[in-house]
Amino acid sequence: LAKTTQPISMDSYEGQEVNITCSHNNIATNDYITWYQQFPSQGPRFIIQGYKTKVTNEVASLFIPADRKSSTLSLPRVSLSDTAVYYCLVRGSGTYKYIFGTGTRLKVLA
Amino acid sequence: GAVVSQHPSWVICKSGTSVKIECRSLDFQATTMFWYRQFPKQSLMLMATSNEGSKATYEQGVEKDKFLINHASLTLSTLTVTSAHPEDSSFYICSARRTESTDTQYFGPGTRLTVL
Repeated sequence: LAKTTQPISMDSYEGQEVNITCSHNNIATNDYITWYQQFPSQGPRFIIQGYKTKVTNEVASLFIPADRKSSTLSLPRVSLSDTAVYYCLVRGSGTYKYIFGTGTRLKVLA
Repeated sequence: GAVVSQHPSWVICKSGTSVKIECRSLDFQATTMFWYRQFPKQSLMLMATSNEGSKATYEQGVEKDKFLINHASLTLSTLTVTSAHPEDSSFYICSARRTESTDTQYFGPGTRLTVL
């Protein structure tokens, strides 16, 4: 059974780089790992998605090691508006079921 | 874009009544839609997977007769909470996956259900 683990919370200051890691064992071998941002009382917003190695877009980078047992979301130069909960989303091996990570509550301080 | 809407955004109902929540993909077709439930300060929990034109697949512990899902078209799925009780009060969120996509889910804004 697939299981995901994320740090419960993190604090950072504006302008710093923030790295959030999600540990996910026993995930589907041919599916993507996706990260979302969620503000209170809103639906999750897509940030980035990757399969392996490194993916970068205009807002974040995603690092996935070869064994795919974890993934790290990197937010460069965070601002106050990045204060939110960040989730990884994976699919369990041998199943169609999608599993959200436990979520990391990021607080960006001025 | 990949916009998903939900209606209503919030609803308050009396215990024993039924509530229908709509999920629409506005600018793309979605063969598969998902329904999640989220309690305060918790992660999202998958309730069911809905495929257009077929019966939904429910997760363990989710009563299919209580949470009726209909996916009548490639842009619309509905969740009906039947005979709602206070313990059904939660934040319900749908997502849609593009027909031509491998994996990305795009989420709606959520529906806050409060059962009195």
